[in-house]
Amino acid sequence: DIVMTQSPLSLSVTPGQSASISCKSSQSLLDSNGKTYLSWYLQKPGQSPQLLIYEVSSRLSGLPDRFSGSGSGTDFTLKISRVEAEDVGVYYCMQGADLPLTFGQGTRLDVK
Amino acid sequence: EVQLLESGGDFVQPGGSLRLSCAASGFTFSYYTMSWVRQGPGKGLEWVSGVIAGGGSTHYADSVKGRFTISRDNSKSTVYLEMNSLRGEDTAVYYCAKDDCSGVSCYTHFDHWGQGILVTVSS
Repeated sequence: DIVMTQSPLSLSVTPGQSASISCKSSQSLLDSNGKTYLSWYLQKPGQSPQLLIYEVSSRLSGLPDRFSGSGSGTDFTLKISRVEAEDVGVYYCMQGADLPLTFGQGTRLDVK
Repeated sequence: EVQLLESGGDFVQPGGSLRLSCAASGFTFSYYTMSWVRQGPGKGLEWVSGVIAGGGSTHYADSVKGRFTISRDNSKSTVYLEMNSLRGEDTAVYYCAKDDCSGVSCYTHFDHWGQGILVTVSS
C-alpha cells in the first residue's frame, strides 16, 4: 500500500498569514498516462470532506486562488496564502495512483 | 446539482450485518466510479471500497475484504455496501463518494461526497 505522510499534523495561523502543508508518498504517484493522482480535501468542522485540488495543482472551480498545490513524484505541498477564518478544519491529501486509495493522517488548521 | 444521499446506518451488534445505500442524482451515474469512505470516531479518512462504472469490477481495503460487498444499480442510480461480520472497529461515519473518473477502470479523486451515515457496532 502507498503510505501518505502529512506534516505538520496541526497548524495555528494568524489571519492574513500563509500556511503550508506537506504530503509525502511512499512511492511515486505518477501514472503511466502522465498524470499524477494527488488530491487535497478539507473537512470543515461537522461537515463532509470537500475536494480542493486534484492532480497536484488543479483547483476545483470556484476555489479561491489563495489555495495552491505543487509537487511531483512523491513530495507535494498545499499552500494557503492569506489564511481566513473560514479555512479552519482538517486537510487531507489522498493518492489515487494505486489501490487501495490512501489518505494522509490529516492536518488540523486553526486560525487564531 | 450533484447529490449523494446515504441511508441504512444503524446500531448493530458485533457479528451482525447491515446494508448501506447511496442514492445519487444530478449526474449520469452510470458513467462514474463510486466509492465508500469511512471515518472512525475522532479518526482520519479510510477508503473502504469502490466499484467501477459498469459495476463489473469492485475493489476493497484489506480491512473489509471478505466481509463487505459493494454493488451498484445503474437503473436506480444507487450504490450499496453490504456489510457482514461487523466488528467494533467498523464503527464509523460512512461516506459515499463520487469519483471524477469516467472510464473503463479508474480511480482518481472524489469530487463529490455525501453527508455521511453513522454505523455503530457494539454489544
